Amino acid sequence: DAMVIQNPRYQVTQFGKPVTLSCSQTLNHNVMYWYQQKSSQAPKLLFHYYDKDFNNEADTPDNFQSRRPNTSFCFLDIRSPGLGDAAMYLCATSRDLLAGRTDTQYFGPGTRLTVL
Amino acid sequence: AQRVTQPEKLLSVFKGAPVELKCNYSYSGSPELFWYVQYSRQRLQLLLRHISRESIKGFTADLNKGETSFHLKKPFAQEEDSAMYYCALSGSNAGNMLTFGGGTRLMVKP
Repeated sequence: DAMVIQNPRYQVTQFGKPVTLSCSQTLNHNVMYWYQQKSSQAPKLLFHYYDKDFNNEADTPDNFQSRRPNTSFCFLDIRSPGLGDAAMYLCATSRDLLAGRTDTQYFGPGTRLTVL
Repeated sequence: AQRVTQPEKLLSVFKGAPVELKCNYSYSGSPELFWYVQYSRQRLQLLLRHISRESIKGFTADLNKGETSFHLKKPFAQEEDSAMYYCALSGSNAGNMLTFGGGTRLMVKP
């Protein structure tokens, strides 16, 4: 009964070669998030979608883009991966964004990206 | 800016011993505090949140606004509690987005 699915689980790419990571959800949640987690560090929010509205964190590099073609799917595109982009990428969803309350986030298993 | 600090990267205790995982935060306003847990080979998941004031798997956490802390406690650790624990904060200052601490790995030895 997987709820947030990420594909692939492991991705190897070459320096500078574009790569796309995929996330899908069966929860019908309005909000989808992408986090980057480097080794022994905290997950760091890159951006999120509230429905179709895209919200970029101020310090997310332009090299990272995202698409959400429908409620169920969200993609992370890294246009020109550098060695420093090697990390675990986590997708998460939450039901809604309500003023004064933070809904539980449900995480996928992550995609580990290696850049050669 | 909001910030979450977990001072211990690793905490090792024996089965049956009390456990306290420390979390301190900085935030100007009224934050929401959470503990997320990641067991081996499993995904990150919510353990508890301060507004619920509940005990999950024997764990409790009290928000202390005076000390800006949200420490996670359990009186008697079990081996199955071994995992990575992340304290997280959200608030209206940052659009209710989560800011995570660096995490503490809890190892419960038999």
